[in-house]
Amino acid sequence: GAVVSQHPSWVICKSGTSVKIECRSLDFQATTMFWYRQFPKQSLMLMATSNEGSKATYEQGVEKDKFLINHASLTLSTLTVTSAHPEDSSFYICSADRGSANQPQHFGDGTRLSIL
Amino acid sequence: AQTVTQSQPEMSVQEAETVTLSCTYDTSESNYYLFWYKQPPSRQMILVIRQEAYKQQNATENRFSVNFQKAAKSFSLKISDSQLGDTAMYFCAFHNQGGKLIFGQGTELSVKP
Repeated sequence: GAVVSQHPSWVICKSGTSVKIECRSLDFQATTMFWYRQFPKQSLMLMATSNEGSKATYEQGVEKDKFLINHASLTLSTLTVTSAHPEDSSFYICSADRGSANQPQHFGDGTRLSIL
Repeated sequence: AQTVTQSQPEMSVQEAETVTLSCTYDTSESNYYLFWYKQPPSRQMILVIRQEAYKQQNATENRFSVNFQKAAKSFSLKISDSQLGDTAMYFCAFHNQGGKLIFGQGTELSVKP
């Protein structure tokens, strides 16, 4: 089946640093990828839609300058949390759209981000 | 706006018994897909079952089946012969024509030995 690799799986860093999370589709090309944020025991909240070769589309309330998204190739999207603070600590999940309506998104395993 | 509602935050079931998780949604679209995802403690998102709205027949995948009532906009998940490994968060999701997945709030299911 389709595989989406997300890296790193867990990162701890100091407040004020920037953190980059990568999302790769390993065996298919994905013109569209999605980034979600999830708090404990809550649902996935869509942050932005990443489109290859164009700017990302952010959901209402998501700071685009805080969460920089780059989708430079058909297999790679990155999310950079800039000047991270403790309130940015969360679980971040990416997914890639294979373009198949009956299984539209394949999910990465997520990144646990802890800001000290 | 399209919404997905799961009204049961937590449920529990005895091993080998049957449990039903409820989900309702709201949309003006006529054709769409609905999904149930499982998220175990590892937090992987695992697709459990999918249903295409124009198909009247309820989808079935081994011990998992759905009761899809299009007119009522209801999409419940039935798990038969529950196993300990079924313990997880379950999310109902609607795939809209814009390509986004709209998730419900989730139901935390505990299977007890």
